[in-house]
Amino acid sequence: AQSVTQLDSQVPVFEEAPVELRCNYSSSVSVYLFWYVQYPNQGLQLLLKYLSGSTLVKGINGFEAEFNKSQTSFHLRKPSVHISDTAEYFCAVSDRPGQNFVFGPGTRLSVLP
Amino acid sequence: KAGVTQTPRYLIKTRGQQVTLSCSPISGHRSVSWYQQTPGQGLQFLFEYFSETQRNKGNFPGRFSGRQFSNSRSEMNVSTLELGDSALYLCASSPPGVDEQFFGPGTRLTVL
Repeated sequence: AQSVTQLDSQVPVFEEAPVELRCNYSSSVSVYLFWYVQYPNQGLQLLLKYLSGSTLVKGINGFEAEFNKSQTSFHLRKPSVHISDTAEYFCAVSDRPGQNFVFGPGTRLSVLP
Repeated sequence: KAGVTQTPRYLIKTRGQQVTLSCSPISGHRSVSWYQQTPGQGLQFLFEYFSETQRNKGNFPGRFSGRQFSNSRSEMNVSTLELGDSALYLCASSPPGVDEQFFGPGTRLTVL
């Protein structure tokens, strides 16, 4: 069965600083990778996804992630964060299109003024 | 296009009662998945329905059940509620052939 690890449960960072949220997954023959964001009292919103092709994926709100097959990682990055980026971020993996989603435990990003 | 809607948004029940939560997927989406989200366990997959059939099931006791109707709307039921069932229950839908899920705002269930 697939599994996802997000090593950092909380990441505090100052406004306008860069941030990286780490995600590692258990290997599989084929894998689809996702980052979702959850703002307080809301559902999850897709930030970006990797299905195939270029390993650098750009998403909404200035976020990007890089798929690294050899390290089974899909780390999320943003060069300059805003207060409004404060939220919980979830990495997810599936091995079939639209099915069998497994989510990581989440990383709470706190952007400080 | 309207998003995924879940009703009710908040619910308070007592131990031993049962509860039914409802999810209306985005128009055209035939797959509906349910997740339980708690601070300690994160997001845990409950089950997925596609065209009125349960396609996948997570590792939850039989007290948790679901169904999907011909219009793709889905309900989940929890019987004999326990304190540990207090959680945010999220519903997500997917259109055919698309890889991502679209989430609703969730139903926050509190069991007293």
